[in-house]
Amino acid sequence: SQQGEEDPQALSIQEGENATMNCSYKTSINNLQWYRQNSGRGLVHLILIRSNEREKHSGRLRVTLDTSKKSSSLLITASRAADTASYFCATDMDPNTGTASKLTFGTGTRLQVTL
Amino acid sequence: DAGITQSPRHKVTETGTPVTLRCHQTENHRYMYWYRQDPGHGLRLIHYSYGVKDTDKGEVSDGYSVSRSKTEDFLLTLESATSSQTSVYFCAISGQGLNQPQHFGDGTRLSIL
Repeated sequence: SQQGEEDPQALSIQEGENATMNCSYKTSINNLQWYRQNSGRGLVHLILIRSNEREKHSGRLRVTLDTSKKSSSLLITASRAADTASYFCATDMDPNTGTASKLTFGTGTRLQVTL
Repeated sequence: DAGITQSPRHKVTETGTPVTLRCHQTENHRYMYWYRQDPGHGLRLIHYSYGVKDTDKGEVSDGYSVSRSKTEDFLLTLESATSSQTSVYFCAISGQGLNQPQHFGDGTRLSIL
């Protein structure tokens, strides 16, 4: 079952523009994470936001979390061609420490940044 | 980059044959995971391990088995491969404690003809 669903499925912008991707999920979470995947490579962790946080920043990335709407957004400011990749949200529903984090991934947003 | 190596990186095999994929880590992380990635499905958890000889099933475990005899190695076995198991397989690791991110290998592209 798919816990996270990203929107849009694909996004094409020009270098310098901002890119916004959205993620919706269905059940209560412990945290929500965003990952990037370049073509032919594994996923790279970008940012983790806990259920009691509303906003988090990392460099050009800004993530928001609205637990009442069960949604999150990832904003990439001043996009570069190197940001071209697929972006996935993943939810961790297990609040227990000392256990594996069994993530549930969405289907991703494919971002194309052109010069 | 986290020290995660998957082998082989590519494999083509025939239906009915056994296949074993290997994940090796140099980070001494407790938790290891196997996912498969298919178009339209994102990543789905197959099995995971929470220590040597300690494993459990994920969302799509049917047709797969795993073993972890050492901290650094996590093996995924398809006992009798089927065409529906054609996919890209990713291994991931994470450390102990709450709110730990996962670190991924570069995947194994498996084609079953």
